[in-house]
Amino acid sequence: DAKTTQPNSMESNEEEPVHLPCNHSTISGTDYIHWYRQLPSQGPEYVIHGLTSNVNNRMASLAIAEDRKSSTLILHRATLRDAAVYYCILKSRGGATNKLIFGTGTLLAVQP
Amino acid sequence: NAGVTQTPKFRVLKTGQSMTLLCAQDMNHEYMYWYRQDPGMGLRLIHYSVGEGTTAKGEVPDGYNVSRLKKQNFLLGLESAAPSQTSVYFCASRPTSGDYNEQFFGPGTRLTVL
Repeated sequence: DAKTTQPNSMESNEEEPVHLPCNHSTISGTDYIHWYRQLPSQGPEYVIHGLTSNVNNRMASLAIAEDRKSSTLILHRATLRDAAVYYCILKSRGGATNKLIFGTGTLLAVQP
Repeated sequence: NAGVTQTPKFRVLKTGQSMTLLCAQDMNHEYMYWYRQDPGMGLRLIHYSVGEGTTAKGEVPDGYNVSRLKKQNFLLGLESAAPSQTSVYFCASRPTSGDYNEQFFGPGTRLTVL
């Protein structure tokens, strides 16, 4: 699976939008872009995923560059509860095991 | 639904002792996983199972054994604990139907080996 590069940490103010970047220059045509987040002292939780088109769900939006070499997770209005480590993960479609390979992610701090 | 639960939440062992971590899921998922997370790092896959009675090695399997005797349970065993196995252990599960299936994670077990 291709690797991803994320900033180690970012800061945001409460109720402001947050843009979390992820670079994946070696992405293949069959790789989905997944985002998980890990709140303090909890297990990771799924946030969103996409292939080529931008995606929206109740938690966030995912903006994917036209060449797919980068993507951005958008939290439209950050809350204190959004403070977490955010992981950008590439995974090929299908495959018997759906193993997720976690990097070190981006630690998001949200200031009141 | 309780989702994915892990027992125990905390444990302290002495070097050489053995223990079993239990993961249970009530979502009828086929696939189950065991990960470990060391301070400041992402999760690493230890072992996984694609169905009842099957197991396979992940990225860091040495020193661990697993069993999946029932579909809803996935056990992780440490036969002779070592300080290097001090970590937080997460279990996850996912279904097999559908185009993409997210993994659902448990709350973790914090293990300290002295």
